[in-house]
Amino acid sequence: AQSVTQLDSQVPVFEEAPVELRCNYSSSVSVYLFWYVQYPNQGLQLLLKYLSGSTLVKGINGFEAEFNKSQTSFHLRKPSVHISDTAEYFCAVKKGGSEKLVFGKGTKLTVNP
Amino acid sequence: NAGVTQTPKFRVLKTGQSMTLLCAQDMNHEYMYWYRQDPGMGLRLIHYSVGEGTTAKGEVPDGYNVSRLKKQNFLLGLESAAPSQTSVYFCASSWTSGGIFPDTQYFGPGTRLTVL
Repeated sequence: AQSVTQLDSQVPVFEEAPVELRCNYSSSVSVYLFWYVQYPNQGLQLLLKYLSGSTLVKGINGFEAEFNKSQTSFHLRKPSVHISDTAEYFCAVKKGGSEKLVFGKGTKLTVNP
Repeated sequence: NAGVTQTPKFRVLKTGQSMTLLCAQDMNHEYMYWYRQDPGMGLRLIHYSVGEGTTAKGEVPDGYNVSRLKKQNFLLGLESAAPSQTSVYFCASSWTSGGIFPDTQYFGPGTRLTVL
């Protein structure tokens, strides 16, 4: 079964600093990778997704992620964070041919002034 | 275009009571999902549906039932609520799933359920 590991449960950073949220997944023949963001008391919304092609994926709000097949990683990055980026971020993986999305346990990003 | 809506937003039940959570989507999506979210556990799939009249079990189906009588609605039922079912429940839908190019899942705002 697919599994997703988000290595940090909480990440505190200062405003305008860069941030990287780490995600590793269990290997499979073909996988599709997603990052979702959940703002307080809201549902999840898609930040970005990797289906195929270029390994560097750009998403909304200045976020990007890089698919690294050899390291089975899909880390999320932003060069300069804002207070409004404070949220919980979920990495998710879907195996090709499966209807199901498997989520990591989430990383809470707190941006401090 | 409301997207995915969930009813109710909050509910408090006593142990043993029953209730139904309603999810509705207006995007003509084929696939619909119910998840529960617990602190430190991420989202776990309860049940899902790949089309009207079909349902399937997810990762944590025990204690829940679902029905998809209409394409736009997906109901989640708790027949006899237990404190372990205290959680935030999210519904999601997508146009396609699996295959070569899986589509995005769109999430509702959630239902916060407390079982006393």
